Amino acid sequence: DAKTTQPPSMDCAEGRAANLPCNHSTISGNEYVYWYRQIHSQGPQYIIHGLKNNETNEMASLIITEDRKSSTLILPHATLRDTAVYYCIAAYNNNDMRFGAGTRLTVKP
Amino acid sequence: DTGVSQDPRHKITKRGQNVTFRCDPISEHNRLYWYRQTLGQGPEFLTYFQNEAQLEKSRLLSDRFSAERPKGSFSTLEIQRTEQGDSAMYLCASSLSGGDAYNEQFFGPGTRLTVL
Repeated sequence: DAKTTQPPSMDCAEGRAANLPCNHSTISGNEYVYWYRQIHSQGPQYIIHGLKNNETNEMASLIITEDRKSSTLILPHATLRDTAVYYCIAAYNNNDMRFGAGTRLTVKP
Repeated sequence: DTGVSQDPRHKITKRGQNVTFRCDPISEHNRLYWYRQTLGQGPEFLTYFQNEAQLEKSRLLSDRFSAERPKGSFSTLEIQRTEQGDSAMYLCASSLSGGDAYNEQFFGPGTRLTVL
């Protein structure tokens, strides 16, 4: 599996967009980029995934660079409830999910 | 609630004792995963089942660990002769398999194990 690199922590003001970067420079052509998040004392929760194209759902947007070596998860209007650890994972399918340490996002009022 | 459930939520045991955890997946999900998570780290994959078949085991799953899913529904994870290094959160997840759509993993709340 491709190794992903994320900043250990980030802050964001409530109501502003949170942009969480992820580097996956060794990702292979068939590997997807997945994002999960883990709110304190809960199990991880799926957010979004993509292969080449940008993706958007009700939770977030995923922007993948054309060379696929990096991506950005965007939470358009962060709320205090978005405070969590966000994991970026590069994997072929859902049997290959290998979590790193993630980015601890703190949304501040 | 039809989510993934785990029992117990907390377990304190003495070193050398055996412990068993249970996971009940979402009822129609045929895949079930076990992870271990230590403080400040992301979940580490341990093993997964498709129906009752255990298809992959991590090298983290030492001989003291055994997982079963006898009828393809609930699963148990047993740790024999527990060590202090086994202290962690043990997470279970389930998903569907097959088809073209991505089948996300749904996680349970975890079982926190403390080995004294």
